[in-house]
Amino acid sequence: GESVGLHLPTLSVQEGDNSIINCAYSNSASDYFIWYKQESGKGPQFIIDIRSNMDKRQGQRVTVLLNKTVKHLSLQIAATQPGDSAVYFCAENLGSDYKLSFGAGTTVTVRA
Amino acid sequence: NAGVTQTPKFQVLKTGQSMTLQCAQDMNHNSMYWYRQDPGMGLRLIYYSASEGTTDKGEVPNGYNVSRLNKREFSLRLESAAPSQTSVYFCASSMAGGPGYEQFFGPGTRLTVL
Repeated sequence: GESVGLHLPTLSVQEGDNSIINCAYSNSASDYFIWYKQESGKGPQFIIDIRSNMDKRQGQRVTVLLNKTVKHLSLQIAATQPGDSAVYFCAENLGSDYKLSFGAGTTVTVRA
Repeated sequence: NAGVTQTPKFQVLKTGQSMTLQCAQDMNHNSMYWYRQDPGMGLRLIYYSASEGTTDKGEVPNGYNVSRLNKREFSLRLESAAPSQTSVYFCASSMAGGPGYEQFFGPGTRLTVL
């Protein structure tokens, strides 16, 4: 079936470097994508979203890029900090306003 | 403003037992959701309630029932627990569905079924 997935399950980053987390999706009907951050023992927290009519969206230290041609989504974190250590999930809405499909997640570890 | 609260935080059940997971939000949100999260996997939607008085199935509804008690509360019931339902359960809420309406998550309930 169609699903959202992440390229790598883990990512180790040096503090201060930029992080890039990738996500591939296969449902061409999805028109809305979200990135979530989940710290250990907590629920997911919204980071940033993007609609399918956009290629790029920026937030505070984060940028999401959407390439619809190859069905690829990425999250860039600038100047990665220890507090950025977490599991990051991408999610897509499957043509429904209420149904989100989540990828398996990438665990980001920040090295001091 | 507590956001989304869930009770209990932890629960151990024996196969065949029943229980209800409670969820409440104080953000005056219209929509509420129940997800489960298994190791190495993303969240999967069990049921959702677009608005008070309505509930709909998500991706994995089998073995669960829900009740939207009022605008604030949305409960998840396991009538006869099975080991396959061992998971972490998250409740979420949003003002509405669709783009621009962020889902806010509770801290989760860790359920083990023996």
